[in-house]
Amino acid sequence: DAGVTQSPTHLIKTRGQQVTLRCSPKSGHDTVSWYQQALGQGPQFIFQYYEEEERQRGNFPDRFSGHQFPNYSSELNVNALLLGDSALYLCASSLGPRIGETEAFFGQGTRLTVV
Amino acid sequence: GQQLNQSPQSMFIQEGEDVSMNCTSSSIFNTWLWYKQDPGEGPVLLIALYKAGELTSNGRLTAQFGITRKDSFLNISASIPSDVGIYFCAGPAGGTSYGKLTFGQGTILTVHP
Repeated sequence: DAGVTQSPTHLIKTRGQQVTLRCSPKSGHDTVSWYQQALGQGPQFIFQYYEEEERQRGNFPDRFSGHQFPNYSSELNVNALLLGDSALYLCASSLGPRIGETEAFFGQGTRLTVV
Repeated sequence: GQQLNQSPQSMFIQEGEDVSMNCTSSSIFNTWLWYKQDPGEGPVLLIALYKAGELTSNGRLTAQFGITRKDSFLNISASIPSDVGIYFCAGPAGGTSYGKLTFGQGTILTVHP
């Protein structure tokens, strides 16, 4: 049973560029959440997708956008990259929405470096 | 917004020692989750707690959901070198907000052989 898979594992971009990160959820999961983890910090919630729609959003600017496909996989897009966008981007999948079932399984992350 | 405060920020212990870390919040959480993150990897769920006062074990790990629902602790008994990593507490933001987790800043654990 494949877990949560993310691609690519590492990425280097230049300021002002755009980037797309990809995530395939764990088999049987239909909800994908994205997190940004800066060095030395805990993950910060970006947004969540369920039924191909953004359901919840954290405190991130509109430069961060996403998409969920019919097969439940998801993309995270970041436009006009800033140096401060350098971080580990984590994808988490879960079943939802079901009250009380909040276990989220994380992928290994994509390390984005903006230069 | 809701914040989770973990302590200590880091721990340096000898192999075989027991470890205790905790997590507090200014607001109530209905679920507490404990994750471990190894370098270059995503967080892995260790223990999930759903009821105030609940005490749950997973091997050498034991976690408790505080009665006030504003705190939780994680204990590791007889630590081994592979326990090294960063331990995070997390909870669903807004109480029942499914899937949107708030994380603490982590406790870095180092185990000396």
